[in-house]
Amino acid sequence: KAGVTQTPRYLIKTRGQQVTLSCSPISGHRSVSWYQQTPGQGLQFLFEYFSETQRNKGNFPGRFSGRQFSNSRSEMNVSTLELGDSALYLCASSLAVPGLEGYTFGSGTRLTVV
Amino acid sequence: AQSVSQHNHHVILSEAASLELGCNYSYGGTVNLFWYVQYPGQHLQLLLKYFSGDPLVKGIKGFEAEFIKSKFSFNLRKPSVQWSDTAEYFCAVKVYNNNDMRFGAGTRLTVKP
Repeated sequence: KAGVTQTPRYLIKTRGQQVTLSCSPISGHRSVSWYQQTPGQGLQFLFEYFSETQRNKGNFPGRFSGRQFSNSRSEMNVSTLELGDSALYLCASSLAVPGLEGYTFGSGTRLTVV
Repeated sequence: AQSVSQHNHHVILSEAASLELGCNYSYGGTVNLFWYVQYPGQHLQLLLKYFSGDPLVKGIKGFEAEFIKSKFSFNLRKPSVQWSDTAEYFCAVKVYNNNDMRFGAGTRLTVKP
């Protein structure tokens, strides 16, 4: 079966711009979680969605937002980009309870803010 | 603050050496524990997981981990590493009834041939 698909793979944006990242989970998976990965910080939890509802949110500013559609696909948006937002953004999907059977991760979107 | 700690930032070993990577967490209550691996240029993959029962769990590629509840630890081990084990390893904790999973900062393992 197809894995978790994230688009685009790479993005270069300038400070102040906004960006939208997309994630298509494995078919049948209803929970989608987003993480920010940076060297030395590991994976920082952004938010988790299930059935179009945000169930949990990490400790990130309001510039970071997301949503989930009825087909379980998810998007995350970052507004007013800052240099520190440069990172690999990972999406992970699971059947229902996040990570209960282990996440399946996508390859990520590498965002560079210049 | 609740956290997942991986104390080793970068570990360098020669092939056939034994490996132990530390992971400690500070969450109370029932937890599910995981180790993920990220090979160079690849996405994160599940290595092994602990839910309940035998605290010694075996994963793929000869890895194992031991859950010690009294120490809030879940250390990853492998008796004899190979060059192909070069990767970054992440410990993760999911608190029961909480809808997110928290990761440690990762440990980069370099195995010299």
